[in-house]
Amino acid sequence: EDKVVQSPLSLVVHEGDTVTLNCSYEVTNFRSLLWYKQEKKAPTFLFMLTSSGIEKKSGRLSSILDKKELFSILNITATQTGDSAVYLCAFITDSNYQLIWGAGTKLIIKP
Amino acid sequence: DTGVSQNPRHKITKRGQNVTFRCDPISEHNRLYWYRQTLGQGPEFLTYFQNEAQLEKSRLLSDRFSAERPKGSFSTLEIQRTEQGDSAMYLCASSLAGGDYGYTFGSGTRLTVV
Repeated sequence: EDKVVQSPLSLVVHEGDTVTLNCSYEVTNFRSLLWYKQEKKAPTFLFMLTSSGIEKKSGRLSSILDKKELFSILNITATQTGDSAVYLCAFITDSNYQLIWGAGTKLIIKP
Repeated sequence: DTGVSQNPRHKITKRGQNVTFRCDPISEHNRLYWYRQTLGQGPEFLTYFQNEAQLEKSRLLSDRFSAERPKGSFSTLEIQRTEQGDSAMYLCASSLAGGDYGYTFGSGTRLTVV
C-alpha cells in the first residue's frame, strides 16, 4: 500500500527563520511529487518534482527530491507571516494519476 | 479562463437531505478529479474523469455518492441521504491528461450536515 509521511506535523518559528519540511514516501510506480500550500481554501500548487537531485526554486521556496532515499524536502528561507499555512506533499503514480497525499505540515510563523 | 470554479462555496444541509455540487474545470483540461478533505488531513481521492468517462471511483465512496461529467466539461457530485460524517470540504481539481503539469484546484465546497 502506498504511504506518504510528512514531518513534522506542526512547526512554530519566528519570522526570518529558515524551515525545512520533510516528505517521505513508499509509493509504487512513482511518477511525480508535488508540493502544495493550503491556507483556508484549496491547495495552491508550488512545485512538481520528477527527477532526483534537481532543485526547484521559486523565490524563498525551494524543493528537492531524492528518489534513492525516497524523500523530498521543502525549504523556506527568511520566513514571513504570510508563509503560515499547511504544506502538503502528494504523488502521482503511473497507474492512474490520482494524487496520493500526505497529512501535511502545519507551519505557523510568529512575528 | 479564471481557473477551476466550484459552487456553492458553502452548503449547510439537514441530515437525510440530498446535495449537489458543481465544478467547472479549466476549459482545456480533460481530466477532472473530486477529493474530500477533513480537518487536519490531506485530501482524500473520490473519483476522476477523463473527458466524460468516469475512470476510477474510490472504494471509500459509498453508493450514496454519484458524480457525472456528461459533456466532458463541468462535473457534478451528488450526495444522497446526507449523514453527519459527510461534513467536509469537497475539492475539485483538473489537469491535462497525464497530470504532468500539475493539478489546479478549485476553492472547494464546504459541506456541513446538521
